[in-house]
Amino acid sequence: NAGVMQNPRHLVRRRGQEARLRCSPMKGHSHVYWYRQLPEEGLKFMVYLQKENIIDESGMPKERFSAEFPKEGPSILRIQQVVRGDSAAYFCASSPKGFYGYTFGSGTRLTVV
Amino acid sequence: GQQLNQSPQSMFIQEGEDVSMNCTSSSIFNTWLWYKQDPGEGPVLLIALYKAGELTSNGRLTAQFGITRKDSFLNISASIPSDVGIYFCAGQLDTGANSKLTFGKGITLSVRP
Repeated sequence: NAGVMQNPRHLVRRRGQEARLRCSPMKGHSHVYWYRQLPEEGLKFMVYLQKENIIDESGMPKERFSAEFPKEGPSILRIQQVVRGDSAAYFCASSPKGFYGYTFGSGTRLTVV
Repeated sequence: GQQLNQSPQSMFIQEGEDVSMNCTSSSIFNTWLWYKQDPGEGPVLLIALYKAGELTSNGRLTAQFGITRKDSFLNISASIPSDVGIYFCAGQLDTGANSKLTFGKGITLSVRP
């Protein structure tokens, strides 16, 4: 019974490149959330998705960031033309419908050099 | 936007001692949750609170949802070395499940053997 799987665990990108972060939710979970954590900060909500739908993207930067959760396959958080300020830990979480509090993955640590 | 306040940033206790952590907000939340994060890992849900005034225990952990719905506390009794980590409070504003969480900045707990 695997938990929320995120890959890669660590990702290094040069400024201007694209970063793709993947998240496979727990089996049976149809709701996926992405959060960003800066050093010594709490987690900040980015986006909430269900299969093929973005439900709440109020925390997503308006430019360069996008997220999807296709019918088949993992959820993807995509950051285009990365800048140093994008360096952070990005966490994905999932939950079944109607459940408060979700299960987090181990995160992807993005470093932009 | 909503903000959750946790202080102090760090706490140092002796093994076997009890410790209490507080979380306050200027806004009302309808659900309060407490998470623990170990280095390099994602947060793990410890306790979820759904009603004002609710007091819930999970082993050596006890948490309460404040009557005003603007605060919560977490108690850890008889601390052990594996209690070391970062403790985050989180609030959920929407009354329905499956909505975004607002996190505090966390309290780093150190336990001296």
